[in-house]
Amino acid sequence: DADVTQTPRNRITKTGKRIMLECSQTKGHDRMYWYRQDPGLGLRLIYYSFDVKDINKGEISDGYSVSRQAQAKFSLSLESAIPNQTALYFCATTTGQGGDTQYFGPGTRLTVL
Amino acid sequence: AQSVTQLGSHVSVSEGALVLLRCNYSSSVPPYLFWYVQYPNQGLQLLLKYTSAATLVKGINGFEAEFKKSETSFHLTKPSAHMSDAAEYFCAVSDDSSNTGKLIFGQGTTLQVKP
Repeated sequence: DADVTQTPRNRITKTGKRIMLECSQTKGHDRMYWYRQDPGLGLRLIYYSFDVKDINKGEISDGYSVSRQAQAKFSLSLESAIPNQTALYFCATTTGQGGDTQYFGPGTRLTVL
Repeated sequence: AQSVTQLGSHVSVSEGALVLLRCNYSSSVPPYLFWYVQYPNQGLQLLLKYTSAATLVKGINGFEAEFKKSETSFHLTKPSAHMSDAAEYFCAVSDDSSNTGKLIFGQGTTLQVKP
């Protein structure tokens, strides 16, 4: 089984709809991250969490919110989706120790019409 | 602020030829550097990383990268390209001075391997 899972894998929605993307990990790590990938821009950090009570904004958090339901679960919500939020979204996890590897999920492809 | 620049958004090589993907970084502290690969419709997989040990780092699938502080570079190489190497490659830097563990990514380089 995969260490980091994301649901759904693909989603098409309409402008103004509320969308939730879910992430679960079995690595036992405390730190979790949400990134979005856009062509030509690489990955950019949306939110990150050190534990269930410690959530921080990344460089592009506007229009997004997150919830850390448990050590293993970290959800990303788009309260009112807009077309420029069409992107590939990745969840990742790490121990947070210097230089440790971030382990990524398979991604969610979101299309907002 | 930290940043990563990958020179060349698309690189095309023939099968069996040398692969060279370029990455330059900017960091005010000694960095941790990573190369990830993304195959079509998949997540990111770690190829290799530099964490201040040996400057020449060997990774999976025959890839290696050399950390050159004087040039602020961490270029990725492979002596002989295989068709299966066709993918998108990302260079990333982690700034541990802030202890966030977050990664700053380059814009990615798509590697095409021609038969």
